[in-house]
Amino acid sequence: DIQMTQSPSSLSASVGDRVTITCQASQHINNYLTWFQQKPGKAPQLLIYDASNLKTGVPSRFSGSGSGTDFTFTISSLQPEDIATYYCQQYNNLPPTFGPGTKVDIK
Amino acid sequence: EVQLLESGGGLVQPGGSLRLSCAASEFTFSNHAMSWVRQAPGKGLEWVSATTGSGGSTYYADSVKGRFTISRDNSKNTLYLQMNSLRAEDTAVYYCAKYDSSSYYYSTLENWGQGTLVTVSS
Repeated sequence: DIQMTQSPSSLSASVGDRVTITCQASQHINNYLTWFQQKPGKAPQLLIYDASNLKTGVPSRFSGSGSGTDFTFTISSLQPEDIATYYCQQYNNLPPTFGPGTKVDIK
Repeated sequence: EVQLLESGGGLVQPGGSLRLSCAASEFTFSNHAMSWVRQAPGKGLEWVSATTGSGGSTYYADSVKGRFTISRDNSKNTLYLQMNSLRAEDTAVYYCAKYDSSSYYYSTLENWGQGTLVTVSS
C-alpha cells in the first residue's frame, strides 16, 4: 500500500495568516490526490481533487499543488470557520490511503 | 443536493455481526461507485471497501477482507456493508461515500454521509 505522510501534525495560526500543509506519498501517484476537511463531529468534505482542482462551491482561499510524490495545501487567509483537521488521500493505487491528518487551530 | 444516510450501527459483541445500510438520494445511484470509510475514535480515516456502480466489482482493505462484504441494491438506492467476525479494532464511525464516477479506479470520494457508530465490546 502507498503510505501518505503529512506535516505538520498540528498548527496554530492567527486569522488572516497563510497556512501551508505538506503531504508526501511513498510512491509516485501522478496527480491523484485529494484534500478533505473534517470539522469536529462532522463528516469529511472534499475540498480539492486531482491535486489542484477546487471543488465547486469551495472558497478560493483554499488551493492545492504538486504532482508525483510531493503535494501542498494552502489556506491563503485563515478564517475562524477553517478550524478543522485536513487529510490528504491518494487514489492512484488501490487501496486508497489517507494521510494522518493536520489539525488546524486559531491562535 | 446529494443525500447519504447511514444506519445500522450499534453495540455488538466480539465475534458478532452487523449490517450497515446507506440510503442514497438526489443522484442516479447506479451511475456511481460507492465506498465505506471508517474512523476509529480520535483517529484518522481508513478506507474499508468499494463497489462499482453496477455492483459487479468490489475491493476490500486487507484489514477487513474475508470478514466484511459490500453490496448494493440499485433498485432501492441502497448500499450495504455486512460485517462478520467483528473485533474490538473494528470500533469506529463508518461513513458511506459516493465516488464521482461508476468506477472506483482513479475516482474521488466527492460526497459523504454523516456516519454511523459501530462499537465492538463485551
